This record gives sequence, structure tokens and C-alpha cells, in this order.
Amino acid sequence: DTGVSQDPRHKITKRGQNVTFRCDPISEHNRLYWYRQTLGQGPEFLTYFQNEAQLEKSRLLSDRFSAERPKGSFSTLEIQRTEQGDSAMYLCASSSPEVTDTQYFGPGTRLTVL
Amino acid sequence: AQTVTQSQPEMSVQEAETVTLSCTYDTSENNYYLFWYKQPPSRQMILVIRQEAYKQQNATENRFSVNFQKAAKSFSLKISDSQLGDTAMYFCASLYGQNFVFGPGTRLSVLP
Repeated sequence: DTGVSQDPRHKITKRGQNVTFRCDPISEHNRLYWYRQTLGQGPEFLTYFQNEAQLEKSRLLSDRFSAERPKGSFSTLEIQRTEQGDSAMYLCASSSPEVTDTQYFGPGTRLTVL
Repeated sequence: AQTVTQSQPEMSVQEAETVTLSCTYDTSENNYYLFWYKQPPSRQMILVIRQEAYKQQNATENRFSVNFQKAAKSFSLKISDSQLGDTAMYFCASLYGQNFVFGPGTRLSVLP
């Protein structure tokens, strides 16, 4: 069990560019979650998947954000036309079918929009 | 809507001493879970301890224990025999269904 992994760990981009992040959950974890964490704050829920189905989206997930989990394994989070306010740590977490209430977090992708 | 409050932005404790981090939450639900997560500097979030709201017994995990007061909606974390490796941000969180809500965190520094 290698844990939840995220790629890249850091991303610097210019305002207006598109960025895509990847998350690989723990093997056999069917639920996958995305969170955003700004400096000095706790993580804020963005969206979650059960297998390939996106079951819930936060109001924080504007139209510029899209998440996919096409085969029920890894997931991608894309931000289009990035804004400076998108600068944050994007965290991914996963949970198993047996213990759905306990989420295991990845190291995060830190996004800086210049 | 659920909310989680941590009233102590920063705390410090001497190595080997005991420290208690406060957390209060607000929910109208009866069935929910409460958690403490630890986020060391530049490292990923790690689950410290979890509590099921329908269980009256306070959860313990080695040096970590909670004081769960359901009526008061309070969920404090006690760290005994503090170690340097306990230095981290500590987040209290509540979960109902898939709605995971985190508090703003308490930065704990363990001093040698």
C-alpha cells in the first residue's frame, strides 16, 4: 500500500492558463475526494466520486473547475482560465468501501497563479 | 450546515508535558463522526483519532485521547507525553454522510 499520491506536487502558472492535477488513490478505495486548502485554513470540500460517478459537488467548484474519474481509479482535477484566487493547496483523499468515514490524504498539489 | 470551530490558533507545550486542543462543532444531525487530523510542516494530513457520535466512550490512540461531550458539542484532543514529532497543525473535523467539514486548525509547537 503506497498511499494516496498526487502529481505534480507544485505547479506555478500564469493567470489565464489551464492546469490539470492528478490523484491516484489507495488501491481498492472506491471513494475519492478533492479538497482545497488555503494558507492558514482547514481543507474545504470540493467534490467526491464513488467509483467513476461524481456524486457531490461543492458550490466552491465553479464552472472553471472540472473533475473526472473515468475508470474509477485515478482522478484528474482541471482548472481552466486560472485566477490568482485559485492559488491554494489541492488535496486528494480516498476511503475504502468497508470504512467510508475514514479518509486518507495525499501530499497535495500546491498551485501558485502569478 | 455543519460548522467546526477551533478557538486556539496557536499553542505550545514543553516536551513530555500534556496539552489539550479545543474543538466545538455545530450540527443538527444525530449520526456523525468526529476526527482529529495532524498536518506536519510540508507533509500530508494524517488521521490521529476518530470518534463515532453514538458511542459514549471516549476514543484513545496511544498518547492521544479525546474528551467528547455530545450535549455541549465539544470534542477536545489531549496529547500526553508530548514529543517533538507532534509539532504540526491539528485540524478538528466532522463528517455527516459525505459532508466533511474541517475547523481552521491549531498550530502546536512542542518545545525541547
